[in-house]
Amino acid sequence: GAGVSQSPSNKVTEKGKDVELRCDPISGHTALYWYRQSLGQGLEFLIYFQGNSAPDKSGLPSDRFSAERTGGSVSTLTIQRTQQEDSAVYLCASSLGLAGGLNEQFFGPGTRLTVL
Amino acid sequence: GENVEQHPSTLSVQEGDSAVIKCTYSDSASNYFPWYKQELGKRPQLIIDIRSNVGEKKDQRIAVTLNKTAKHFSLHITETQPEDSAVYFCAAPRGGTSYGKLTFGQGTILTVHP
Repeated sequence: GAGVSQSPSNKVTEKGKDVELRCDPISGHTALYWYRQSLGQGLEFLIYFQGNSAPDKSGLPSDRFSAERTGGSVSTLTIQRTQQEDSAVYLCASSLGLAGGLNEQFFGPGTRLTVL
Repeated sequence: GENVEQHPSTLSVQEGDSAVIKCTYSDSASNYFPWYKQELGKRPQLIIDIRSNVGEKKDQRIAVTLNKTAKHFSLHITETQPEDSAVYFCAAPRGGTSYGKLTFGQGTILTVHP
């Protein structure tokens, strides 16, 4: 089956604009994660969705960042009033999310965001 | 929450040598430790993982060891090849939860010279 997909692959925007990044997880995966990876850096956790539970937003760096997951599938990460420090690769991952399970995360190709 | 420290940040070896990357974690309740490999310009992919009920796991040229008492785990790559060149990330469950939320280490850039 298809893996995790993300769109767009690249996004260039001007400072102050809003952007939306999309993630399509693997079908049947109930857990979905967003990470941010700055150049040469590690994977910074942003937000986590698990089934119908309230999302874990503990990693969001500011209130300019928000995310939704509609119908338990597709997710959109929105960054309002973008700043230059938001420039990074935004990675989405999904997993089976089984209770008590320690599940492999499958990553998408990422969206490279550049804020001018 | 979980804190994961990874060392070294860069590692350079000759083809055929072994490479070892070490990680420490803070939450004694953590029970799952995966390693991801990210080749240049590509997405991270799981290469091996270990659960807390074993001390070592091997898969061909790669192995992971776990010391729960000391709260550290290591990735061992033997007979390194140029295609092993990549960034390697360790991870541990975030907040000790069991649904797979992870905290990642900062990554190790491994370069294997032919």
